[in-house]
Amino acid sequence: GENVEQHPSTLSVQEGDSAVIKCTYSDSASNYFPWYKQELGKGPQLIIDIRSNVGEKKDQRIAVTLNKTAKHFSLHITETQPEDSAVYFCAANFGGTSYGKLTFGQGTILTVHP
Amino acid sequence: DTEVTQTPKHLVMGMTNKKSLKCEQHMGHRAMYWYKQKAKKPPELMFVYSYEKLSINESVPSRFSPECPNSSLLNLHLHALQPEDSALYLCASRDRGTGSTEAFFGQGTRLTVV
Repeated sequence: GENVEQHPSTLSVQEGDSAVIKCTYSDSASNYFPWYKQELGKGPQLIIDIRSNVGEKKDQRIAVTLNKTAKHFSLHITETQPEDSAVYFCAANFGGTSYGKLTFGQGTILTVHP
Repeated sequence: DTEVTQTPKHLVMGMTNKKSLKCEQHMGHRAMYWYKQKAKKPPELMFVYSYEKLSINESVPSRFSPECPNSSLLNLHLHALQPEDSALYLCASRDRGTGSTEAFFGQGTRLTVV
């Protein structure tokens, strides 16, 4: 079935440290893997995404890696700042062609201590 | 303009009321989604519209009735809801493509059923 597992559920780091969140997915046909940041009272905001033909993507302090063989992908945040504190969701697109549907992981509450 | 606009932001309704949630996007996206999100949980897919036609209904109870009047608008009609339906309702849109396109989320409607 369509399943995305995300770990850890909570992550606490000191400002300046790195944070890593990991996800695994069930459907080997999935081809799109976005990461969303959700702040309290707001909708999810896309922070980075990766497609199945790419192994790694970086945008300033944020990077995502994808291992299609193992069906897992990870979010890496370097030089964390207090404003990075939020809930982070990974997602995978199921349904192959056309629009498909995004299924989310359970979320990781990231807290960055000043 | 990469915005998905949802109204109202907050809604309190009784179990016998009828109300509607509205969602609007002007990005030319042809796929639109309704998600439900309970506190401390990930968004769960409810409905998908593609080219103004309902393409996915994730076994949602009939007290939730979606409508897509045109390519820019998506409504969710609510009737005879239960207190357990209280949640954040999120709308999203995507460009119809190969399933690897970015989904933009609105800020959500916080619904409370009393």
